[in-house]
Amino acid sequence: ILNVEQSPQSLHVQEGDSTNFTCSFPSSNFYALHWYRWETAKSPEALFVMTLNGDEKKKGRISATLNTKEGYSYLYIKGSQPEDSATYLCALNNAGNMLTFGGGTRLMVKP
Amino acid sequence: DAGVIQSPRHEVTEMGQEVTLRCKPISGHDYLFWYRQTMMRGLELLIYFNNNVPIDDSGMPEDRFSAKMPNASFSTLKIQPSEPRDSAVYFCASSLDRVQETQYFGPGTRLTVL
Repeated sequence: ILNVEQSPQSLHVQEGDSTNFTCSFPSSNFYALHWYRWETAKSPEALFVMTLNGDEKKKGRISATLNTKEGYSYLYIKGSQPEDSATYLCALNNAGNMLTFGGGTRLMVKP
Repeated sequence: DAGVIQSPRHEVTEMGQEVTLRCKPISGHDYLFWYRQTMMRGLELLIYFNNNVPIDDSGMPEDRFSAKMPNASFSTLKIQPSEPRDSAVYFCASSLDRVQETQYFGPGTRLTVL
């Protein structure tokens, strides 16, 4: 069983604050790291797929970085808005295995 | 494309009844996944198919659970008999490639077993 850990588990920020959270994973046999955004009562929605060490991806105010050697990825949100409130999931593709999801970071942005 | 379609969206049943959940993947996607989401265990992979063939069902909790994919556009997840501990949200997802491609999730079926 792969150990994919996300921290913090939950986060409360004020509108306009920038924030970031972490996904840690075993670095051996790495294939890809996925980030999903999951709003309450909806289904997970893909944000990024990253495959190379040093990858940086950006989508609007959200960006992510990847370090496969040390086994972590950061997700950044610049100038958080209330509509950013959601659970952010990372998921690891490891050689021979399917997606293993982390427990998620639940972000709540207060107006 | 309409995305991944699941039905029903909500299901309430009594313990011991048979429950069938349905999924239509995105056209052209070769992989189909069934997940279960609970508060205790988060998002767990139950089973996945490649080109309609079950590849890994090691996540299926027990013999009461079964899944089929009779053709490229339809899959079912069946629970017989259902138990209260099966109450969860069941998601179906599909992708072009299981490794690097994004998985696209359906809206989920919220199952409540009384």
